[in-house]
Amino acid sequence: EAQVTQNPRYLITVTGKKLTVTCSQNMNHEYMSWYRQDPGLGLRQIYYSMNVEVTDKGDVPEGYKVSRKEKRNFPLILESPSPNQTSLYFCASSLVPGSGYTFGSGTRLTVV
Amino acid sequence: DQQVKQNSPSLSVQEGRISILNCDYTNSMFDYFLWYKKYPAEGPTFLISISSIKDKNEDGRFTVFLNKSAKHLSLHIVPSQPGDSAVYFCAVQSTGANSKLTFGKGITLSVRP
Repeated sequence: EAQVTQNPRYLITVTGKKLTVTCSQNMNHEYMSWYRQDPGLGLRQIYYSMNVEVTDKGDVPEGYKVSRKEKRNFPLILESPSPNQTSLYFCASSLVPGSGYTFGSGTRLTVV
Repeated sequence: DQQVKQNSPSLSVQEGRISILNCDYTNSMFDYFLWYKKYPAEGPTFLISISSIKDKNEDGRFTVFLNKSAKHLSLHIVPSQPGDSAVYFCAVQSTGANSKLTFGKGITLSVRP
């Protein structure tokens, strides 16, 4: 089944404790991206990647890092999480523009 | 500044009737316009899209209309079904280095049986 898999689905952590949210897709898509969803703000792009070793900032990159060492994986790294990063996170991938991204099921992160 | 606006936060429609969801955008340079549907505890699901060179695209019960002069996008669902109850996001996309989706804030559609 073609899908984007994120882990974990739920995570509660403390301020300053480094964490990684994994994302993997099995569709051989070149484009991958991370979004966060917050009440009243919709979905906003954090980082994106056009292909292996090619990543760049989206609209809200502060406090996040990403890497793209393999085509299928695009982890999101929070080096020192803060409470304002409490959010619902989605990973997405796309083969070509306009065809629509395929989204993962989301990771609900709470930073206390 | 918000580039994609969904001004109505919610819409309630009777089963079998038409649902019309509206979306306005500010930048005329976008190449694609998309609609996503989202159920609670799930990721957004791609529904339908339209390129900037077209004014209508139809897929079963779903039709998207694009009015470029008005910078307006709409999604028509006919007939509406209770399973259509969800949050609907419109999104715009440009081709190029970052094919990112810029989303509106979403509209909650409720279809009453």
